[in-house]
Amino acid sequence: DAGVIQSPRHEVTEMGQEVTLRCKPISGHDYLFWYRQTMMRGLELLIYFNNNVPIDDSGMPEDRFSAKMPNASFSTLKIQPSEPRDSAVYFCASRGKARELFFGEGSRLTVL
Amino acid sequence: SQQGEEDPQALSIQEGENATMNCSYKTSINNLQWYRQNSGRGLVHLILIRSNEREKHSGRLRVTLDTSKKSSSLLITASRAADTASYFCATDPGAGSYQLTFGKGTKLSVIP
Repeated sequence: DAGVIQSPRHEVTEMGQEVTLRCKPISGHDYLFWYRQTMMRGLELLIYFNNNVPIDDSGMPEDRFSAKMPNASFSTLKIQPSEPRDSAVYFCASRGKARELFFGEGSRLTVL
Repeated sequence: SQQGEEDPQALSIQEGENATMNCSYKTSINNLQWYRQNSGRGLVHLILIRSNEREKHSGRLRVTLDTSKKSSSLLITASRAADTASYFCATDPGAGSYQLTFGKGTKLSVIP
């Protein structure tokens, strides 16, 4: 299995621009999680899906953030408009049968 | 919010020595998991210990769990330079919740 695949690996954008991060979970995993990692706050859960349905989005910081999962093999996290404080590494993870998480390599976002 | 708190925040040891990292948490759990993160990479699941287990081994890893003290420890024996990474504990509350909450991690440096 290829593991969880995220794109892009690095994104540099100007403040106010729209950013879209993409994730392909491991086939057969029915839970998908989006986390954000910063030095100051560590790993924060933003939102998670079960069978493509958003279950808890209480970690999404603002309305500027939105996430979708149109099918079992694809999810997006969108930030519009982006701000410098959104600079972070964004991770997607899917859950295995023993409740362990499999993480992608992350998308490092820099908003100038 | 951060559930697990790792201690120490940073640890530097010589190759061949043992490394011990501790994790304290606040609420009841179904299981506790440890992850490793190499610089610039995603998190990798190492080991999971359930609330009714006290100790678990996996290769050079030994994890203990004391639910009465709400604490866990991760021991890496005979450390290698390749063990240099950040190590995170994550608590799984179970009981219908599917959110893993991560601590801020221990940064381990193994000097060759």
